[in-house]
Amino acid sequence: SAVISQKPSRDICQRGTSLTIQCQVDSQVTMMFWYRQQPGQSLTLIATANQGSEATYESGFVIDKFPISRPNLTFSTLTVSNMSPEDSSIYLCSVEDPGLAGDETGYNEQFFGPGTRLTVL
Amino acid sequence: KQEVTQIPAALSVPEGENLVLNCSFTDSAIYNLQWFRQDPGKGLTSLLLIQSSQREQTSGRLNASLDKSSGRSTLYIAASQPGDSATYLCAVIRGSGGGADGLTFGKGTHLIIQP
Repeated sequence: SAVISQKPSRDICQRGTSLTIQCQVDSQVTMMFWYRQQPGQSLTLIATANQGSEATYESGFVIDKFPISRPNLTFSTLTVSNMSPEDSSIYLCSVEDPGLAGDETGYNEQFFGPGTRLTVL
Repeated sequence: KQEVTQIPAALSVPEGENLVLNCSFTDSAIYNLQWFRQDPGKGLTSLLLIQSSQREQTSGRLNASLDKSSGRSTLYIAASQPGDSATYLCAVIRGSGGGADGLTFGKGTHLIIQP
C-alpha cells in the first residue's frame, strides 16, 4: 500500500492566519482527497484534489477558505485560510491505491495519512 | 444523501470475547465498503475492504460482511485482545458512475478491551 506523510503533524495558530498542510505519497496515485475530523466527530470529505486542474469541493466547503494544490501525482497541499477556532480539527489526506493491477474501477482501497492536528486560538 | 450509522457508539468487553460491530447505510448503491481503525492521536488504518459484489472479507481475527440490499455491514472480531482497543470506523464509497470517489463515514464505535 502507499505510504503517506503529512506536514506539519500538529500546529497551534492564531485567529485570522492561514496554515498550509502538505501531503506526500511515496508512489504516483490518481486520486487524492482531503478530509476534516472535528473534535468528537467522524471524518467529512472536504474536496478531491485533481492533478492539473481545480479541486472538486463538497457542499459546505469553498475554494477561498480551503485552497488546494495538486502539482503532480505524489503531492498535494491544503490551506486553511483566515482561521477561526471553529477550524480546530484534524485534517487528513487520503489516496486511492490501485494496487499492483492498476485497477481503476473504483473498487480500490483508500489509505490515509497520519493527519495534522490544528488548534486555532 | 448517503448516511452511515454505527452501533454501538461505545463498547467495553473483557479480553478474549468475540464481538460484533454494526454499520448501516441509507443508500444501497455503493461501490465498496471499508472498515478502518483509528488509534488516539493517529490516522486511520485500513482493516478490510468489501467490494459491492462481495459478501464478506476476512483478515486474521477480523471478518467483515456486507448485505448491500439491506444496507448493512458487520465487523466481527474474534478472541479480542487489549491491542484491539481503538475506534472502528465504517465508510462507504459514494458512487455516481464508477471511478474513485470520496468516502462517507460513520461516527465510529469506540471499543475498549479490558485486560
